Formats: sequence, C-alpha cells, structure tokens
Amino acid sequence: AQSVTQPDIHITVSEGASLELRCNYSYGATPYLFWYVQSPGQGLQLLLKYFSGDTLVQGIKGFEAEFKRSQSSFNLRKPSVHWSDAAEYFCAVGAATARQLTFGSGTQLTVLP
Amino acid sequence: EAGVAQSPRYKIIEKRQSVAFWCNPISGHATLYWYQQILGQGPKLLIQFQNNGVVDDSQLPKDRFSAERLKGVDSTLKIQPAKLEDSAVYLCASSLGTGVGNQPQHFGDGTRLSIL
Repeated sequence: AQSVTQPDIHITVSEGASLELRCNYSYGATPYLFWYVQSPGQGLQLLLKYFSGDTLVQGIKGFEAEFKRSQSSFNLRKPSVHWSDAAEYFCAVGAATARQLTFGSGTQLTVLP
Repeated sequence: EAGVAQSPRYKIIEKRQSVAFWCNPISGHATLYWYQQILGQGPKLLIQFQNNGVVDDSQLPKDRFSAERLKGVDSTLKIQPAKLEDSAVYLCASSLGTGVGNQPQHFGDGTRLSIL
C-alpha cells in the first residue's frame, strides 16, 4: 500500500528565508506526486505535480519540488518565503493506475516578520 | 471557471442528530470526491463518484454515512446519526476523469462540522 510521511509537523521561518518541506513516500512503482497548500478555512490548492520526466518541477507561487527516487522523497522548496505563504502544506501520492490520492498529515508553516 | 461550491460552511449539531452537506462540482467534471479531514490530519477519501455511479466507497462508514450524486452533477453527503468522532472538515473535490495521473483534483472550501 502506498503511504506518505511528512516528518515535520510545524516549521517556522523568517520572511525572506529559504524553505524546504520534507515528504517521503512508500510505493512500489513510480508514483505520481503532488504538493497542495491549504490556507485557514479554505480547501486545498494544487502547487505542483510530478508524473515523469525532469525530476525538478516548478509550481505556482515560486515553489519547486525535486523527485529523488533513491531517497523516496519529493521535497518542496522556495528560495524566499513571503508572509502570505503561511499555511498548511500537504504532500500526496497516487499510483498511475489508481483512482485516488493518499495524503500526508501535513506541515504547518509559520512565517515570522 | 467557477470552483467547487460547498454548503454550509459551518455546522454545529449534537451527537445522534443528522446532518447533510451539499457539493456542486466544476462544470463538466465527471468525477466527484468526498474527503474527511480530521484536525491535524490529511484528507481521507470517503467516497468517489464517476458521473452518478460509485467508484470507491471502501472507507465510507456505511452504517451512518450515505452519499448520492443526482444526475451526475451535484452531490450530498449525509451523516445519521452523528458521533463525536465525526467532527471534521468535509471536503468535496472534482476532476475531469478518474485517473490520478492526469486529473489533479480541485477542492471546495469545505464544511466544518462540530459535534457537541
């Protein structure tokens, strides 16, 4: 069965600092990987996705993520965090032939002024 | 394009009462999902529809939860009777097709349910 681990429950960074959110997955074949962001009181918004090809994918709002098969990881990065990035971030994995996503438990990001 | 619409945004009920949530997906999206998101956890799929047929309801507590999708468009999720552990945000999502690989899901803002 596929699973997703987000080891950091809560991360705090200063505005302008760089950010890396960790995501590790467990799956037998090449997974489809996603990062979503959820602001308070809102639904999830897709930041980026990886299906195949270039292992460094660019997303919206200046985010990027790198797929590392050897480490079973798909970490999310941003070079300079803005106060508006404060939210909860979810990593998700899906099999190519599956119908549904499996979500991690999320990482809450706090941005200090 | 208009997003996924859900109502109500908030609902407070007492345990053993019943409650219903409504979802209107993005126009043209054949697949509709209901997720339960308990505080501090990621969303968990409850049920998935393809048009008006059920694709997956393996994680739906069928003794108390029910869902339908009339005419392959709007959907309602019902809980009867509610238990304390049902306190959560209920998210609706939709996508063009069923395949995870090509159809990232679009989410509504959810209904926050509190059980007293």
